[in-house]
Amino acid sequence: DTEVTQTPKHLVMGMTNKKSLKCEQHMGHRAMYWYKQKAKKPPELMFVYSYEKLSINESVPSRFSPECPNSSLLNLHLHALQPEDSALYLCASSQEAMGVEAFFGQGTRLTVV
Amino acid sequence: DAKTTQPTSMDCAEGRAANLPCNHSTISGNEYVYWYRQIHSQGPQYIIHGLKNNETNEMASLIITEDRKSSTLILPHATLRDTAVYYCIVRVRGTYKYIFGTGTRLKVLA
Repeated sequence: DTEVTQTPKHLVMGMTNKKSLKCEQHMGHRAMYWYKQKAKKPPELMFVYSYEKLSINESVPSRFSPECPNSSLLNLHLHALQPEDSALYLCASSQEAMGVEAFFGQGTRLTVV
Repeated sequence: DAKTTQPTSMDCAEGRAANLPCNHSTISGNEYVYWYRQIHSQGPQYIIHGLKNNETNEMASLIITEDRKSSTLILPHATLRDTAVYYCIVRVRGTYKYIFGTGTRLKVLA
């Protein structure tokens, strides 16, 4: 199983809503990532978790709150988002070693209205 | 952070080899070069990676120059389904930070 599963596939939320994105992998990977991708732009790294601990936060606004409750699961909690936060949110995972590839999910298409 | 630069777009005739270049002149000694592609806003798909030596798998070949400052991804017989954005990525030394370049939009023409 080389799959990273993201739910939901699409999400529309208001600026006052609270929602969560979910990412799951069962490959035994101990590094997990959140990326944000705007239209026609490359993915931008947001967060990296290593062994369920946050190891990289790329100065992401606090309205995005990541959580890694166990080694298979990664969440991204959303609160008070702005329309400019509308994007494709991608999750990825990899082994905790150099020279290995990361596997990406299909993403959640988020629209903030 | 090591950065990569790629041409914005390329065309390739179906059945011909597609050669996609990437410049990573600031790469450090133990940083790997990775290639991914993204088809129509799906999640990025891993293609191949390498450190120093040339690599080949069932999808593509990766040629890395001796000084490691650039590399070329080769799709030996491009098909219409290879139309995608191809990203060259260097992972930042000592971290698990994969930094995507701007990507090359490859269009395979019938």
